[in-house]
Amino acid sequence: DAGITQSPRHKVTETGTPVTLRCHQTENHRYMYWYRQDPGHGLRLIHYSYGVKDTDKGEVSDGYSVSRSKTEDFLLTLESATSSQTSVYFCAISLGTGSNQPQHFGDGTRLSIL
Amino acid sequence: GESVGLHLPTLSVQEGDNSIINCAYSNSASDYFIWYKQESGKGPQFIIDIRSNMDKRQGQRVTVLLNKTVKHLSLQIAATQPGDSAVYFCAFPEQETSGSRLTFGEGTQLTVNP
Repeated sequence: DAGITQSPRHKVTETGTPVTLRCHQTENHRYMYWYRQDPGHGLRLIHYSYGVKDTDKGEVSDGYSVSRSKTEDFLLTLESATSSQTSVYFCAISLGTGSNQPQHFGDGTRLSIL
Repeated sequence: GESVGLHLPTLSVQEGDNSIINCAYSNSASDYFIWYKQESGKGPQFIIDIRSNMDKRQGQRVTVLLNKTVKHLSLQIAATQPGDSAVYFCAFPEQETSGSRLTFGEGTQLTVNP
């Protein structure tokens, strides 16, 4: 158990509304990641963070923003949700600082945008 | 094995049999590989990893084999149990980026019949 908590676990909202998903870790790991998982696409990286206030884009970052104001929390925001952002969102952390380290995942947030 | 598409490759085995799940990669510079298990409704769970200076690594009931010549790795599960039913996928670091970013395969659906 890597001590990762995602909230909420499920959310249904309407197109055009803002949505914020939270990832909380208890073990002070430097690297945190947000992925989305969709049928036919596997896991795709949205944004990641390599420290407080240090973030970078992944392959599918359009329409998403992130913030990391403290080590333990990494927030993913959909400023104006669209139906194409209906997905399952996973947060992950990397246990080490080297490039060859496994990532460990939370149990996901299922987001439906109507 | 891994593939891109709407339908995951599937493997169906009888309880007690051995399972072999395959993954191909294209970057000969890849030097670290991870296998994950994902059960329905949960996040990916780390199973085992292997570095490129090894050909084989064993865990509890699992073995990963790496063939760098043909850029192929496999996950072998011994005495497969119903609890092993899940999607399995491989992952490896993106060599050109920092931050421990991973590329994930599409996954293979393993079904264990009692």
